[in-house]
Amino acid sequence: QVHLVQSGAEVKKPGSSVKVSCKTSGGTFISNTITWVRQAPGQGLEWVGGIIPMFDSTNHAQKFQGRVTILADKTTSTVYMELNSLTSEDTAVYYCARVQFGYFDYWGQGTLVTVSS
Amino acid sequence: QSLLTQPPSVSGAPGQSITISCTGSSSNFGGDYDVHWYQQLPGTAPKLLIYANHNRPSGVPDRFSGSQSGTSASLAITGLQAEDEADYYCQSYDSSLSLYVFGTGTKVTVL
Repeated sequence: QVHLVQSGAEVKKPGSSVKVSCKTSGGTFISNTITWVRQAPGQGLEWVGGIIPMFDSTNHAQKFQGRVTILADKTTSTVYMELNSLTSEDTAVYYCARVQFGYFDYWGQGTLVTVSS
Repeated sequence: QSLLTQPPSVSGAPGQSITISCTGSSSNFGGDYDVHWYQQLPGTAPKLLIYANHNRPSGVPDRFSGSQSGTSASLAITGLQAEDEADYYCQSYDSSLSLYVFGTGTKVTVL
């Protein structure tokens, strides 16, 4: 059984950065693909980006180009997502999830990021 | 703008059957990729319900079934129960934009 446990809620000022963590257990961390999905209040799901720790290979949606960094710490089986230049439109719950053959089979509990002045 | 279109809401009485549609294109599940479905109960993370068009993960009741034909996919729920009241999303990969895409979401109400 795979478990993904995320860091706690964050409140950030516009223009600042946030770093959310996702600690995994079970499965084989290094060969997993971990992805990030966000959900603005009352809205649908939006893919942000992901990483394959084995290769430190990352990809992300074009809209986050230049603003998102996804890292993996193999020693602690933890994936991090950092989002810069925050605006109110980045207020959302951010989920990490494991990717298997194109679908997301295990999810973290979610981290609420609130951007407010 | 989502590339996968779902009806905003579907409702049914307990015990009835409902179907949720998902319309895509040749660059996602109408082409080389599969469609998957998730259930999101209020205030919780999405849960995988159907993967690779029609497969159920262990623990998902057989009241839930998925199908796909061309650029159309469907999630069917039979014997509707109060606990099925949730938001449902389809998902695929889109090769034209090189990203994972989700449907617009459908809120299921049990009357």
